[in-house]
Amino acid sequence: AQSVAQPEDQVNVAEGNPLTVKCTYSVSGNPYLFWYVQYPNRGLQFLLKYITGDNLVKGSYGFEAEFNKSQTSFHLKKPSALVSDSALYFCAVADRGSTLGRLYFGRGTQLTVWP
Amino acid sequence: DAGVIQSPRHEVTEMGQEVTLRCKPISGHNSLFWYRQTMMRGLELLIYFNNNVPIDDSGMPEDRFSAKMPNASFSTLKIQPSEPRDSAVYFCASSLGSGTGQETQYFGPGTRLLVL
Repeated sequence: AQSVAQPEDQVNVAEGNPLTVKCTYSVSGNPYLFWYVQYPNRGLQFLLKYITGDNLVKGSYGFEAEFNKSQTSFHLKKPSALVSDSALYFCAVADRGSTLGRLYFGRGTQLTVWP
Repeated sequence: DAGVIQSPRHEVTEMGQEVTLRCKPISGHNSLFWYRQTMMRGLELLIYFNNNVPIDDSGMPEDRFSAKMPNASFSTLKIQPSEPRDSAVYFCASSLGSGTGQETQYFGPGTRLLVL
């Protein structure tokens, strides 16, 4: 069965410091992997995705994520956090081999960046 | 582009009433998804359509929930009768592609439903 785990409900980091939001996944086959961000009272916004190719994916707002097949992980990173990065972050996975094409979302990680 | 449009943005109703949520996907997109978000259960996929056809409705909670997509530019999610446990934020999302899972989904702003 497909699933996503975001082991940290909350991540706190000081502005200017690097940030990491963790994600591990489980799929029957090979994955498509996504990160979305949700600001208060808003819908989810796409940040980046891994489909194939380079394991390091660069996305919006300076975020990047690295696909690690052996560790089944897709951690989100940013070298220097901003207060405006504070939001709820969701990791999602789809099974490349599935005919259904649906995404499975994690529970989300609340990122707070302190000034 | 206007993005995914949902209406109403907020809905307050009494238990037992019928509730209809509406969604207009991004023009040209051929997949549409309905999600529900609660603190307890997180983000759940209720149903999704590809080319107006329901593909996976395994997330629909029970018979009180129904969804339709009569054409490529409109979908509804209906709850009848509504119950307090249906209180949640309901999101609609759309994407373009063959439904393989690699397509980026674009989310609407959501409808915040409160059932008293």
